[in-house]
Amino acid sequence: SYELSQPPSVSVSPGQTAIITCSGDKLGLRFTSWYHQKPGHSPVLLIYQDKQRPSGIPERFSGSNSGNTATLTISGTQSTDEADYYCQAWDSTDVVFGGGTKLTVL
Amino acid sequence: QVQLQESGPGVVKPSETLSLTCSVSGGSMTSYFWSWIRQPPGKGLEWIGYSDDSRTTKYNPSLESRVTVSIDTSKNQFFLQVRSVTAADTAVYYCARDRRDGYNVWGQGILVNVSS
Repeated sequence: SYELSQPPSVSVSPGQTAIITCSGDKLGLRFTSWYHQKPGHSPVLLIYQDKQRPSGIPERFSGSNSGNTATLTISGTQSTDEADYYCQAWDSTDVVFGGGTKLTVL
Repeated sequence: QVQLQESGPGVVKPSETLSLTCSVSGGSMTSYFWSWIRQPPGKGLEWIGYSDDSRTTKYNPSLESRVTVSIDTSKNQFFLQVRSVTAADTAVYYCARDRRDGYNVWGQGILVNVSS
């Protein structure tokens, strides 16, 4: 079955750029979505179709996808961005989530 | 604005069947994939399965033998059954909506404990 791999944790200083990666075989040929989830809350869609932002999501969240890696970039990271981040893709008719990355804003 | 709400028992005994309902309000069920996703305590998200409005279903291969997702568009609801549950099925269960362009609507989640 298809698998998506994420680093367990990423740390960033406030105001700096955070980069979270998601790896999978030929992932660039699939659309990837990104979510963040804060404790006790449901996940929130940040990016869909690799780089599209739903309405209401700030421009500092951006995405890209090429080769075997999709990337979520958070520019000007804020303390409120501290959360778990998940990538997700479709494998034919199945849905796959990455294992999640805990973003710490130090 | 579409909203989803999970409902069902918070405790299920081992070996029994977990049954949950997701009620959809504020929109049509047409042309979407209606999914169940779960999250064990302290762990990541796991897709369980989905039904579309024509009752086509698909399941996570690791759960397929124990899971059924069904839909009743006349009642604006879809359902999850997980049979022969064990402690490993203890999780927050979410229902969510997708059109292969990201899950943009989620329920608030319901914690289900498998315990005797």
